[in-house]
Amino acid sequence: DTGVSQNPRHKITKRGQNVTFRCDPISEHNRLYWYRQTLGQGPEFLTYFQNEAQLEKSRLLSDRFSAERPKGSFSTLEIQRTEQGDSAMYLCASSWNRGDLGETQYFGPGTRLLVL
Amino acid sequence: GQNIDQPTEMTATEGAIVQINCTYQTSGFNGLFWYQQHAGEAPTFLSYNVLDGLEEKGRFSSFLSRSKGYSYLLLKELQMKDSASYLCAAGGFKTIFGAGTRLFVKA
Repeated sequence: DTGVSQNPRHKITKRGQNVTFRCDPISEHNRLYWYRQTLGQGPEFLTYFQNEAQLEKSRLLSDRFSAERPKGSFSTLEIQRTEQGDSAMYLCASSWNRGDLGETQYFGPGTRLLVL
Repeated sequence: GQNIDQPTEMTATEGAIVQINCTYQTSGFNGLFWYQQHAGEAPTFLSYNVLDGLEEKGRFSSFLSRSKGYSYLLLKELQMKDSASYLCAAGGFKTIFGAGTRLFVKA
């Protein structure tokens, strides 16, 4: 399977704990996105990378959230000191950016986080 | 500002045709995407329009009017498996997703 993969698929944690999620994009894609989605809402942009460079981070994202893509391949999203409001589906998507044309993003299956 | 508007819910009958509308405002627009999302699953790509007009792909078609900031997704010969959320997303400096339209297909 050469699609986007995410691990773990599910995570239950206690408030105050740190969690880390991993995303492996489609290998030839140069962009990688992280989104958060809650019930009844569309994906909410968190951050994205072009190769290893983090180009944008949402202003809605607190400093408890950090993401890396060290070698321009897989990426990790870490949430420190989790809060119950962090409970959501965390989606990763990758794409090939072709310059000024819109890029189709391909999504991974998501990591569902529940903070107790 | 940047904004996507689409209806929250729609209901249609199996075998019928349904049109899901989307209006958008975004910076640096470079295309309009439609994604399908079944409950508990990730969004999957349906269509991409960058020029005005209708793009047809099997039972699904998507239309774009850039001057009006408007798009629609047309689903023909509805099947029960088409029950899902349909997300409109405007590409630009950053892709912005709408909240999605939940489509219920009834027998």
